[in-house]
Amino acid sequence: QVQLVQSGAEVKEPGTSVKISCKASGYIFSNYHIHWVRQAPGQGLEWMGIIKARTGITIYIQKLQGRVTMTRDTSTSTGYMELSSLRSDDTAMYFCLRELPDTYYFDSWGQGTLVTVSS
Amino acid sequence: QSALTQPASVSGSPGQSITISCTGTSSDVGAYKYVTWYQHHAGKAPKLIIYDVSYRPSGVSNRFSGSKSGNTASLTISRLQAEDEADYYCTSYTSSYTYVFGSGTKVNVL
Repeated sequence: QVQLVQSGAEVKEPGTSVKISCKASGYIFSNYHIHWVRQAPGQGLEWMGIIKARTGITIYIQKLQGRVTMTRDTSTSTGYMELSSLRSDDTAMYFCLRELPDTYYFDSWGQGTLVTVSS
Repeated sequence: QSALTQPASVSGSPGQSITISCTGTSSDVGAYKYVTWYQHHAGKAPKLIIYDVSYRPSGVSNRFSGSKSGNTASLTISRLQAEDEADYYCTSYTSSYTYVFGSGTKVNVL
C-alpha cells in the first residue's frame, strides 16, 4: 500500500537548519508531486510548497522563499524539505503529501515530523 | 496569501446535518474547481474526503458532500455521527500556482 514515512522529531536552536525526509513506497515515486505542509501548535494547516514529479521544479510559498529548499532523490524514492534560519515560530508538525499531477488534491500524507525550535 | 475563512467550530447532535463554509477570493475558491476538504483527527494524518468541490474518493461515506457558490465552498455532513468529531480543513488551488488552506473548523458532536 501507499506509504509516506517521515524522519523523526527534531529539536533545533534558533538560527540553525533542519532537513526532514519523506520516504515513499507502494507507488512509482517519480510519477507524483510531493508537497509539504506544516501545522504550528494550536494553528491550522499551512501549505509550504511543492516539488513537481517529472521536472523537479519547485514552487514555494512567498513567506518562506529564501529559507526553504525542497529536493528529492528518485533513486531512493525520498523527498526532502530543508528549512534554514529557524525561528521559534517555525515550531510545528511538518507533513509531506503526494499529488498525482493535475489532480490538485493530496491523496496520501506522511505521519508528520515535529520540529521544535528552542534555545 | 491569507488563509481561507472557515468558522472556528460547528456543533450538531447525532443524526443532524451540519454545514461548514470556506470563503476565499476570486483568485482561489472562486477561480477554480480545485477545492478539497480534509478530515483531521488529532494525532493522525489528515484524510481526503472531498475533491474537485463535490467528488468523494472511494471509501468515503456519502454522508459527506461538497458544493461551491462564487467564492464560498461548503462541506455538509449529513446524519452526523460521533466519529465525525474532528477538525475539517478546506484547501484551494490559487492563481499563483500555490495552494491555500482554510483556517480549520472543529466539529463537535453533542
